[in-house]
Amino acid sequence: DTAVSQTPKYLVTQMGNDKSIKCEQNLGHDTMYWYKQDSKKFLKIMFSYNNKELIINETVPNRFSPKSPDKAHLNLHINSLELGDSAVYFCASSQALWQTSTDTQYFGPGTRLTVL
Amino acid sequence: GESVGLHLPTLSVQEGDNSIINCAYSNSASDYFIWYKQESGKGPQFIIDIRSNMDKRQGQRVTVLLNKTVKHLSLQIAATQPGDSAVYFCAEKGMNTGFQKLVFGTGTRLLVSP
Repeated sequence: DTAVSQTPKYLVTQMGNDKSIKCEQNLGHDTMYWYKQDSKKFLKIMFSYNNKELIINETVPNRFSPKSPDKAHLNLHINSLELGDSAVYFCASSQALWQTSTDTQYFGPGTRLTVL
Repeated sequence: GESVGLHLPTLSVQEGDNSIINCAYSNSASDYFIWYKQESGKGPQFIIDIRSNMDKRQGQRVTVLLNKTVKHLSLQIAATQPGDSAVYFCAEKGMNTGFQKLVFGTGTRLLVSP
């Protein structure tokens, strides 16, 4: 059983296009995240949602718009794709987001986005 | 600002050796640290964690050591196996307007030769 799943696995597109990446978790977690991993393997948080509410937005360009239709899903829509958007995008989930929580974040398999 | 870094970008060991992967962090207020393993083409996978009120924690073949005085974290893997080859990340729990977020280090690639 896949705990955190993402689609598509690979996405190749032209500059200027709009694309979406979908994420689903079946762990019953309240919190979901999007991370970006660059070519040097550096992982940085982009967004987090708790019970469909945006909690963290790490100064990501507004071309990136996350949407959470329910707490098991967090999709990422990207408008006007740029070359610098090429990266691997990871979805993750955890039970809670609170200050004292030490809940583990579980990651999806990643979506490799290539912008040509 | 917050930063978590690693001393060695690549570590090569022989099968059966013990491996030590190091990590330095800068936020003395961080209270929770995690090690993740990322195999090629996969997402990061939780290995072990430690809270700031502990110095050491052991798992199966892995041990995490935390030295808060020098803000240093290490992951020790005993009897390293080829399946341990991966990129290892340390992460610290930082704060953002009252909610936790994970800040990841730059990663160390572990290469295990048979």
